Amino acid sequence: QLQLQESGSGLVKPSQTLSLTCTVSGDSIGSGTYSWSWIRQPPGKGLEWIGDIYHSGSTYYNPSLKSRVNTSIDRSKNQFSLKLNSVTAADTAVYYCAGARHGYNQRRNYYYAMDVWGQGITVTVSS
Amino acid sequence: DIQMTQSPSSLSASVGDRVTITCQASQVISKSLNWYQQKPGKAPKLLIYDASNLETGVPSRFSGSGSGTDFTLTINSLQPEDIATYYCQQYDNLPLTITFGGGTKVEIE
Repeated sequence: QLQLQESGSGLVKPSQTLSLTCTVSGDSIGSGTYSWSWIRQPPGKGLEWIGDIYHSGSTYYNPSLKSRVNTSIDRSKNQFSLKLNSVTAADTAVYYCAGARHGYNQRRNYYYAMDVWGQGITVTVSS
Repeated sequence: DIQMTQSPSSLSASVGDRVTITCQASQVISKSLNWYQQKPGKAPKLLIYDASNLETGVPSRFSGSGSGTDFTLTINSLQPEDIATYYCQQYDNLPLTITFGGGTKVEIE
């Protein structure tokens, strides 16, 4: 059974870099079955997609965050990571990692669904 | 960029009621739409994928419909455990982009 767990600093100073890691258990991060995602949720607000990384290392980011985001995969540790630089108070949120099953069906239609989520980690940006 | 508009933003209904939530895309997305349920303090949970397919383990009172730009999530016979916020999510793979709707908070009267 696939499980995800976020870890990292819960408090980051303004202008510094937010760094989070998601540890995957129950499947190999390099299997290709899943796209590995980061999503965040500011207090009292809705969900915002940050970006995805494929097992191949290909990355896709929310255009509104693209200039500040970097994601990576560590196959030896079965982990993927998020770095968000130049943070401000607006980056305060619960950050989730998720695994999205994805691929092409028999009709060659792409499918994508985030079917496994971590529990989330609260990150506060404050001096 | 594709925008997803959910309505209503909140609703209150009685146990046993039929509840309908709508999601409208700013352009045609075929059936590239998923629905998630998020209970307070918890991570979201996948309910419906590809507009109308029920995720394994999800009660059959949940259903989804629609294609193109207009989609609906229906809860037949609302139960107390269905109190949550529901989000639609579109996806496009050329290149991969994901957009969530603003959410609909469902409460019991």
